[in-house]
Amino acid sequence: DTGVSQDPRHKITKRGQNVTFRCDPISEHNRLYWYRQTLGQGPEFLTYFQNEAQLEKSRLLSDRFSAERPKGSFSTLEIQRTEQGDSAMYLCASSLWGLAGTNEQFFGPGTRLTVL
Amino acid sequence: AQSVSQHNHHVILSEAASLELGCNYSYGGTVNLFWYVQYPGQHLQLLLKYFSGDPLVKGIKGFEAEFIKSKFSFNLRKPSVQWSDTAEYFCAVNDDYGQNFVFGPGTRLSVLP
Repeated sequence: DTGVSQDPRHKITKRGQNVTFRCDPISEHNRLYWYRQTLGQGPEFLTYFQNEAQLEKSRLLSDRFSAERPKGSFSTLEIQRTEQGDSAMYLCASSLWGLAGTNEQFFGPGTRLTVL
Repeated sequence: AQSVSQHNHHVILSEAASLELGCNYSYGGTVNLFWYVQYPGQHLQLLLKYFSGDPLVKGIKGFEAEFIKSKFSFNLRKPSVQWSDTAEYFCAVNDDYGQNFVFGPGTRLSVLP
């Protein structure tokens, strides 16, 4: 499967713990996006990278959240000191931006986080 | 800031009925528009997209959408739905630089056999 993959698919943690999620984009895609989705809502943009540079972060992104894409390939999203309100599906998407692409985003299956 | 609204939270149709899902956005500049679908238990998939040119775009599975710039709308249509179209449908928009990507809240479509 050459699509976007995310790991883990499910994560249950206790309030106050740190969690880290990984996203592997489609290999030739230069942009990588993170979203959060709660039940009954559309995906909410968190941040995105172009290659290894983090170009945009949502104002809603708490300082407990940090994302990296050190080599311009896979990305990690870390949430420190988790709160129950962090419970959601975390989605990753990738796209090919530039003359060769139209920025169509391809989504992964998501990581479902439950904070107890 | 950009925003996207979708007119209906939940739509229930019988098979063979026609479908139209509303989507309106607010943004002053050039936009790219998308419709994504999420089937039960699956991840988001692109149905169709508009970047430029003909405002009537055709997507997969018989879906089409019309961009009406004066109305800031991008409604999704299908002439005859099938039970397998049961899913959540999301309208989305980003600016011409591929930034400010915003999703609508989604419309759940239930098609009765």
